[in-house]
Amino acid sequence: AQSVTQLGSHVSVSEGALVLLRCNYSSSVPPYLFWYVQYPNQGLQLLLKYTTGATLVKGINGFEAEFKKSETSFHLTKPSAHMSDAAEYFCAVSFSGSARQLTFGSGTQLTVLP
Amino acid sequence: DTAVSQTPKYLVTQMGNDKSIKCEQNLGHDTMYWYKQDSKKFLKIMFSYNNKELIINETVPNRFSPKSPDKAHLNLHINSLELGDSAVYFCASSQGVVSGANVLTFGAGSRLTVL
Repeated sequence: AQSVTQLGSHVSVSEGALVLLRCNYSSSVPPYLFWYVQYPNQGLQLLLKYTTGATLVKGINGFEAEFKKSETSFHLTKPSAHMSDAAEYFCAVSFSGSARQLTFGSGTQLTVLP
Repeated sequence: DTAVSQTPKYLVTQMGNDKSIKCEQNLGHDTMYWYKQDSKKFLKIMFSYNNKELIINETVPNRFSPKSPDKAHLNLHINSLELGDSAVYFCASSQGVVSGANVLTFGAGSRLTVL
């Protein structure tokens, strides 16, 4: 079985500060890992994904995440937060051959303070 | 032009009623999904169709019935609504056959409130 844990349901950072959103996963097979973002009153949209290859993945809007197998983590970072980054962020896991699609974490609400 | 569109966006109804939510995608994707997001923001897959064929049917009460008239549409009909059905329902689509690597495109959600 696969599962995702997002540490911290709410994270607040100041504008210009580092953003770090934590995600740990559990999977019995090599995982595919995703970060999705949900802006208010909108659907989720893909920020970035890891399937195979380079473990440091760059996404849209300056976000990146690093797959660390030894730590079973896929934390999301951005060097400098912008007010427009305020949203709900979801980490998700799947694996090759899965017909069950994604297992989502419970989400982290990011607030950016002026 | 909205890629995945759902209607209605908001739905308020009484217990016991029957309601439908419609979803259309103009991306040419082969696979469509329904997800349920509860009050704690947990997202869980309910159904998936690939080219009008049901391929994922999670443990969902049989009061929920999806219908896919063509690969661009996936509707969700709910009979005998219960309080616990209150949630945001998201439609999504992806290209190609179902694979763990699929990237999903989501609609904006339909917020169902059962009174």
